[in-house]
Amino acid sequence: DAKTTQPTSMDCAEGRAANLPCNHSTISGNEYVYWYRQIHSQGPQYIIHGLKNNETNEMASLIITEDRKSSTLILPHATLRDTAVYYCIAHTPTISSNTGKLIFGQGTTLQVKP
Amino acid sequence: KAGVTQTPRYLIKTRGQQVTLSCSPISGHRSVSWYQQTPGQGLQFLFEYFSETQRNKGNFPGRFSGRQFSNSRSEMNVSTLELGDSALYLCASSLVSSGPNEQFFGPGTRLTVL
Repeated sequence: DAKTTQPTSMDCAEGRAANLPCNHSTISGNEYVYWYRQIHSQGPQYIIHGLKNNETNEMASLIITEDRKSSTLILPHATLRDTAVYYCIAHTPTISSNTGKLIFGQGTTLQVKP
Repeated sequence: KAGVTQTPRYLIKTRGQQVTLSCSPISGHRSVSWYQQTPGQGLQFLFEYFSETQRNKGNFPGRFSGRQFSNSRSEMNVSTLELGDSALYLCASSLVSSGPNEQFFGPGTRLTVL
């Protein structure tokens, strides 16, 4: 799986959009971009994933650049409960191998401030 | 649907002892992965089990082992505990299919080795 690079930390004002960048310049064509977050001392929580099209769900939006070398996770209206470590992961999901092996980097610590 | 459960939630052991941790995946999920999280190394993949077979293994010594039962429940064992094994051990389950699948994490077992 490709290596990803994220800023160590970011701040965001409550109610504003939080934009978390991720660089994955060596991503291969069959690797998806996944985002997970981990609130202090809890298990990581899946947020969203995408291959090349932008994706949106009830939690967030994922914008992937056309060359797929970077992406941005957008939390449209951040709340204090969104304070967490956010992980961007490039991963190839297949039935025969690597399905369950996620490589976590250091992630971005997002601090949402009132 | 019940989430991933891990038992026990907290555990204190002494050096040289062994420990067994248990994970019950979400009903219908056949893949179970284990991760170790420490402040220094972050989240690291230990191993993955699918249909009672280990199909992925991280870079950990042989003291770390696991197994999966026919009902998909999984256990991991650490023998001859060392101080450095103190960590949060996380289990994740996923539904294996032809497309990308998210992993659902349990709350973790906090192991302290004295």
